[in-house]
Amino acid sequence: AQSVTQLGSHVSVSEGALVLLRCNYSSSVPPYLFWYVQYPNQGLQLLLKYTSAATLVKGINGFEAEFKKSETSFHLTKPSAHMSDAAEYFCAVSPSGGGADGLTFGKGTHLIIQP
Amino acid sequence: DSGVTQTPKHLITATGQRVTLRCSPRSGDLSVYWYQQSLDQGLQFLIQYYNGEERAKGNILERFSAQQFPDLHSELNLSSLELGDSALYFCASSPRESSYNSPLHFGNGTRLTVT
Repeated sequence: AQSVTQLGSHVSVSEGALVLLRCNYSSSVPPYLFWYVQYPNQGLQLLLKYTSAATLVKGINGFEAEFKKSETSFHLTKPSAHMSDAAEYFCAVSPSGGGADGLTFGKGTHLIIQP
Repeated sequence: DSGVTQTPKHLITATGQRVTLRCSPRSGDLSVYWYQQSLDQGLQFLIQYYNGEERAKGNILERFSAQQFPDLHSELNLSSLELGDSALYFCASSPRESSYNSPLHFGNGTRLTVT
């Protein structure tokens, strides 16, 4: 079964600094990977997705993620953090890559932005 | 605004009781997913319906059931409630049967508190 592991339940960075949120996946078949963001008191919102078209994926709000098969990783980055980026971030994998399914989410990483 | 509507926003009930959570998907979306979010378990996929039929099951307890109606809205029924069922319950919708090629759009959730 597919799974994702997010390293670090909390990450704190200064405003303007690089944001790096780590996600490693486990999959026996080529995975489809996603990053979602959850702002306080809201549902999850898709940031970006990897579906094998390109290894570097650009998303909304200046975020991007790189798929590295050799490292089974899909880390999320943003060059310069903004206060509005403070939220919970979830990495997710599609269990089957096709057909009916529900995404499997990581435990989430709480991003804290220091002024 | 994701276009997914969940009611009620908050629900407080006692152990042993039964509740119904309601979800209206985005206009045109045929798939509805239910997720449970708790501090210890994170985001857990419960069940998926597509165009009125059950398509995938996750970690859904036997005390829980769901259905999708002809107008595509969905209800999640939780019975014989226990303290451990206290959580945030999310509904998500997408236009297609699979989550890998069409992003999930999440509602803002129903917060269930069992006392």
